[in-house]
Amino acid sequence: ETGVTQTPRHLVMGMTNKKSLKCEQHLGHNAMYWYKQSAKKPLELMFVYNFKEQTENNSVPSRFSPECPNSSHLFLHLHTLQPEDSALYLCASSQVRQYYEQYFGPGTRLTVT
Amino acid sequence: RKEVEQDPGPFNVPEGATVAFNCTYSNSASQSFFWYRQDCRKEPKLLMSVYSSGNEDGRFTAQLNRASQYISLLIRDSKLSDSATYLCVVSSGGGADGLTFGKGTHLIIQP
Repeated sequence: ETGVTQTPRHLVMGMTNKKSLKCEQHLGHNAMYWYKQSAKKPLELMFVYNFKEQTENNSVPSRFSPECPNSSHLFLHLHTLQPEDSALYLCASSQVRQYYEQYFGPGTRLTVT
Repeated sequence: RKEVEQDPGPFNVPEGATVAFNCTYSNSASQSFFWYRQDCRKEPKLLMSVYSSGNEDGRFTAQLNRASQYISLLIRDSKLSDSATYLCVVSSGGGADGLTFGKGTHLIIQP
C-alpha cells in the first residue's frame, strides 16, 4: 500500500460504544496528525505527533484519546462520544520540518447516534 | 473572529474560462501560505505554496499581498477536472499547530 491509509472508512457508533480509528503511513514521514472536518467548518487540528511524541493537543475533549506506537501508525480511541462529534476524521503525515506539506488519508466518516 | 476567510461559493464557471478567488487572513504575523485542493468526498492535497513574489504552476498562479493580507489563486483555461474545493492555508510558523485552514471555496467547472 502507498500513501496514508485509514480504517474504517465509515463508522456508526452509539454514545456508549468504544471504537478506534487506525491510520498508517507508508511515506517514511516522522510526523502524524489527526484532524476533524465538520460540515461548513474549517479543518480542525486535534493532535500532533512528532517522532512518536505528542506535541500538541488543541483542547480536545478527553473522550478522544490518541495513540502513536511508532512513526508509521496512529490511532484515535473513541469513547462516550456525543452526536456533535459526527464528522470526517482525517489523518495526515509529513516530515516534521515540512509540516505544511501534509499528506492526508481518505478519512473515516463517523456518525454518532 | 475568522482567522482565514474565503468566499464559500460555489463559483460556477464555464470550461476554458479564467477564474480567480481570494483568501484573507487576520494574523499579520503569518509567514507562509498555501493552497490545498479537496475533491468531493476526498482528502485535501497540497496544490501549491504561495511565495511573496508570486508563483505559477502551469495554469495556476498564486499571489500574496501582505499589505492587504490576502492571497489569490488564478486558474486559466479551466478544465472540468478543476472542479473541487480550494482550501487556503496560512502558517504562523512553529509547526503544524500554526497552520490555519480556511473553509474553502467550492469551484464547479461546467461543460
